Amino acid sequence: AQSVTQLDSHVSVSEGTPVLLRCNYSSSYSPSLFWYVQHPNKGLQLLLKYTSAATLVKGINGFEAEFKKSETSFHLTKPSAHMSDAAEYFCVAHTSGTYKYIFGTGTRLKVLA
Amino acid sequence: NAGVTQTPKFRILKIGQSMTLQCTQDMNHNYMYWYRQDPGMGLKLIYYSVGAGITDKGEVPNGYNVSRSTTEDFPLRLELAAPSQTSVYFCASSYSIGEGYTFGSGTRLTVV
Repeated sequence: AQSVTQLDSHVSVSEGTPVLLRCNYSSSYSPSLFWYVQHPNKGLQLLLKYTSAATLVKGINGFEAEFKKSETSFHLTKPSAHMSDAAEYFCVAHTSGTYKYIFGTGTRLKVLA
Repeated sequence: NAGVTQTPKFRILKIGQSMTLQCTQDMNHNYMYWYRQDPGMGLKLIYYSVGAGITDKGEVPNGYNVSRSTTEDFPLRLELAAPSQTSVYFCASSYSIGEGYTFGSGTRLTVV
């Protein structure tokens, strides 16, 4: 069965330091993978997506993610955190040919001044 | 450029009452979805639609109904509200399967 695991429910970083949010997936086939961000009381916004092209995917607001098939991972990174990055982040997988998107349970990022 | 619009933003229902959550998109997307978000649980798919007149159940459809009479609108109906339906509901749309979603801003529903 397909699943998405976000390894940390909470991450705290200082402003200006790197961000790493971890995501592992399991799937019988190479899925499409997405990262979404949700700011408080807002809907989810697409940060970036991987769809079997380049394994390093660049998204909005300086975020990027690397697809590593051997590790079944799709970790989200940013070189330097900004206070406005404080939000909840969701890793999502989609298997081609289905209507089903699998959401991880989310990682809440806190950015300390 | 409105994107996906959901109304209302907040609602309190009494047990047994019914209501309709509205969702409209102006991007001419064929695919539309309803999710519920519960704390620590991620998002669960309630219903989805691949075009006007075509809907299907997701993971957690019990207690809900949908219709899709136009490309733009995808309302979610709650019949006989129960406390277990207290949640935040998100409507989303996409141009095609496998593409990223555009989400609405959500409806926070409390059933008391």
